[in-house]
Amino acid sequence: AQSVTQPDARVTVSEGASLQLRCKYSYFGTPYLFWYVQYPRQGLQLLLKYYPGDPVVQGVNGFEAEFSKSNSSFHLRKASVHWSDWAVYFCAVSMNTGGLSGKLTFGEGTQVTVIS
Amino acid sequence: EAGVTQSPRYAVLQEGQAVSFWCDPISGHDTLYWYQQPRDQGPQLLVYFRDEAVIDNSQLPSDRFSAVRPKGTNSTLKIQSAKQGDTATYLCASSIQANTEVFFGKGTRLTVV
Repeated sequence: AQSVTQPDARVTVSEGASLQLRCKYSYFGTPYLFWYVQYPRQGLQLLLKYYPGDPVVQGVNGFEAEFSKSNSSFHLRKASVHWSDWAVYFCAVSMNTGGLSGKLTFGEGTQVTVIS
Repeated sequence: EAGVTQSPRYAVLQEGQAVSFWCDPISGHDTLYWYQQPRDQGPQLLVYFRDEAVIDNSQLPSDRFSAVRPKGTNSTLKIQSAKQGDTATYLCASSIQANTEVFFGKGTRLTVV
């Protein structure tokens, strides 16, 4: 069965510093991968998505992620963190064999705290 | 364009009580999803619809949970005889034909005491 693991439950980063959030997936077939962000008392918002192709994908607000089939990973990065990036970040994989689907399996999430 | 709308935003009830959550998807979106998100966990799919038809409800606890989308637009998720373990945020989401970006509502935060 498909699964997503986010090994870091909490990450604290200084404003202006770089950020990397880790995501490992287990999926039989071609994965379609997503990163979502959840601000306090808000719904999930899509940051970026990976469809088979270029392994580095660009998202909103300066985020990017890199897909690695050999490592079964889809790590999220940002070069310079802003205080507004304080949120919970979820990695997800699509469960449909067709790939593009709202049937998503989510990781447990990583709480990002930004300090000055 | 209005997003996915959910109501109520919060609900508190005692064990054994029933509760209903309502979702209004984005206009024109034929696919609607209900997810359950326990505190400090990722969302887990409960059920999803294509128009008025249930496509997958395999993760819906059928003895106490039910979901309907009678006209293929709005949807209601109901919990009969709630348990403390049902405490979670219930997220509704919608998309077009299950193959594009999925848009989430702000959720209903349920506390069962």
